[in-house]
Amino acid sequence: DAGITQSPRHKVTETGTPVTLRCHQTENHRYMYWYRQDPGHGLRLIHYSYGVKDTDKGEVSDGYSVSRSKTEDFLLTLESATSSQTSVYFCAISEVRADTGELFFGEGSRLTVL
Amino acid sequence: DAKTTQPTSMDCAEGRAANLPCNHSTISGNEYVYWYRQIHSQGPQYIIHGLKNNETNEMASLIITEDRKSSTLILPHATLRDTAVYYCIVRATYSGGGADGLTFGKGTHLIIQP
Repeated sequence: DAGITQSPRHKVTETGTPVTLRCHQTENHRYMYWYRQDPGHGLRLIHYSYGVKDTDKGEVSDGYSVSRSKTEDFLLTLESATSSQTSVYFCAISEVRADTGELFFGEGSRLTVL
Repeated sequence: DAKTTQPTSMDCAEGRAANLPCNHSTISGNEYVYWYRQIHSQGPQYIIHGLKNNETNEMASLIITEDRKSSTLILPHATLRDTAVYYCIVRATYSGGGADGLTFGKGTHLIIQP
């Protein structure tokens, strides 16, 4: 299994509080992604990173920011959490090659915003 | 990226072959077909991918029609542990550029019956 660790795995917080989710990898892969998964919507890309300090927005980036100061860590921050951000968040990594787009996913972080 | 169409759900008897169809009639020449699955509460897992030739690995076989407008994922001897949501994704190869992840639709919920 790919070495991806998400933390925390479960978190309950209140509306308006800041939240940071961490994704840590031991594979030295260049690309990292944050997805959220909600019933009826499937997996949706929030932000992704294509290298240290290089990030870009995905489909549902509003209300989220990311940072990547080291290859192995990709942080997702909710500056002021809202109930609509209650979701399961998945981190993924990939090492891009010309003939593959395989993503490896973490086990997910379940966030509940009350 | 080309759009895919999959049945919402399918049943298959344990021990039989599970054949999951996917339509991608607008696929472009440089787009690969990827299959992932997601077992309940876990992160998605890569299964297989292909461009135009049929592919087989230890998990499954991928059959792509000659016109590439559709494909079938085959699990040769389904077990109860194969119960999951299966995603068919079409995506261009990443070579030479940034990788912005994969777009997951709603997939097919495959239920293996004992």
